[in-house]
Amino acid sequence: QKEVEQNSGPLSVPEGAIASLNCTYSDRGSQSFFWYRQYSGKSPELIMFIYSNGDKEDGRFTAQLNKASQYVSLLIRDSQPSDSATYLCAVSPTARQLTFGSGTQLTVLP
Amino acid sequence: EPEVTQTPSHQVTQMGQEVILRCVPISNHLYFYWYRQILGQKVEFLVSFYNNEISEKSEIFDDQFSVERPDGSNFTLKIRSTKLEDSAMYFCASSELADTQYFGPGTRLTVL
Repeated sequence: QKEVEQNSGPLSVPEGAIASLNCTYSDRGSQSFFWYRQYSGKSPELIMFIYSNGDKEDGRFTAQLNKASQYVSLLIRDSQPSDSATYLCAVSPTARQLTFGSGTQLTVLP
Repeated sequence: EPEVTQTPSHQVTQMGQEVILRCVPISNHLYFYWYRQILGQKVEFLVSFYNNEISEKSEIFDDQFSVERPDGSNFTLKIRSTKLEDSAMYFCASSELADTQYFGPGTRLTVL
């Protein structure tokens, strides 16, 4: 059974702080890793993808991947109240489907 | 910016009825997907479609489900005989290559 695990939260951070979201996965053969943001009642919105070990930065977002530890993380710098949402980690074992975690609910307090 | 569109936004049906959910993927994308999300639960993969055939499907995607690309732009999901437990948000997604998937806004299916 291929699993993607995330802390469900809620995670609360003050505005301007760094939010750190974590994800572990069970399938060692996984090749692609994604972070999606989902506002309540809306569809998943792609934020970041990462394929190689290390860090990948895009604006205020940094994704980190460690395949040896089967660990993916997302850092959000200078968090804003508009970042308040559920963050979904998704792993692609076959490149033709995504396996999602249950999501971490983030609240950024003004 | 191109986006995936889905219709209808909300579908209410009686148990046992057939429903067809429609999606228009991003125009230059070649891979198409359906996912569902039962209220309060994870997003779950149903099926992927490429080159006019199913490339992968999950255990959820049983004989009650089918997908079709009836023309050059639409991608549909049919549920032949709906059950109460089919009530969920259904998301269509597409990708240019077999990688980064972009999701549509979803269809909320309510089975009574």
